[in-house]
Amino acid sequence: DAKTTQPNSMESNEEEPVHLPCNHSTISGTDYIHWYRQLPSQGPEYVIHGLTSNVNNRMASLAIAEDRKSSTLILHRATLRDAAVYYCILGQGTSGSRLTFGEGTQLTVNP
Amino acid sequence: NAGVTQTPKFRILKIGQSMTLQCTQDMNHNYMYWYRQDPGMGLKLIYYSVGAGITDKGEVPNGYNVSRSTTEDFPLRLELAAPSQTSVYFCASSRPASQGGYTFGSGTRLTVV
Repeated sequence: DAKTTQPNSMESNEEEPVHLPCNHSTISGTDYIHWYRQLPSQGPEYVIHGLTSNVNNRMASLAIAEDRKSSTLILHRATLRDAAVYYCILGQGTSGSRLTFGEGTQLTVNP
Repeated sequence: NAGVTQTPKFRILKIGQSMTLQCTQDMNHNYMYWYRQDPGMGLKLIYYSVGAGITDKGEVPNGYNVSRSTTEDFPLRLELAAPSQTSVYFCASSRPASQGGYTFGSGTRLTVV
């Protein structure tokens, strides 16, 4: 299975942008790139996903490298509520829906 | 909409006991999944289903069974509980990857003593 590599932890200050990196050098042409986050004592929450083009939604932006071997999740203005574990995952299996979670990046947001 | 509903929220089992974790979704999603999450770790896929009547093993299926008789329901069965099955269990559902992400339930915290 194709894997992703993320930093174990990152810190940010409130109101500042956050760029969370993810490497996926063995990505296949049909793998979707998914981002989820998990707040303490909660189930994971969908953030954003994409295939080749950059994507924006109300929560975040996803920047995908031209060779698709890396991507970056961008939180435009971090809030204390954004403190969570962020998972970068490649969608595999039929229609790319089977997700394999790694260890993720623990994001700390300082007031 | 309720989304994905899991019951119970908490359960303590004795070694060797059996139980079924219930999962229901009301979004008409074809894809459903069961994950477990041990403390401080990421989620591991136990079983998944791409539609009613179809199930398949994930990374860690040993000690578990599933069934998918309807689109809405995807129960997870533990036949002989072991301490190694102490974990938080999450059920999720989704459309195909191109159409959006997973919706997760709030989890079942299971302790086997």
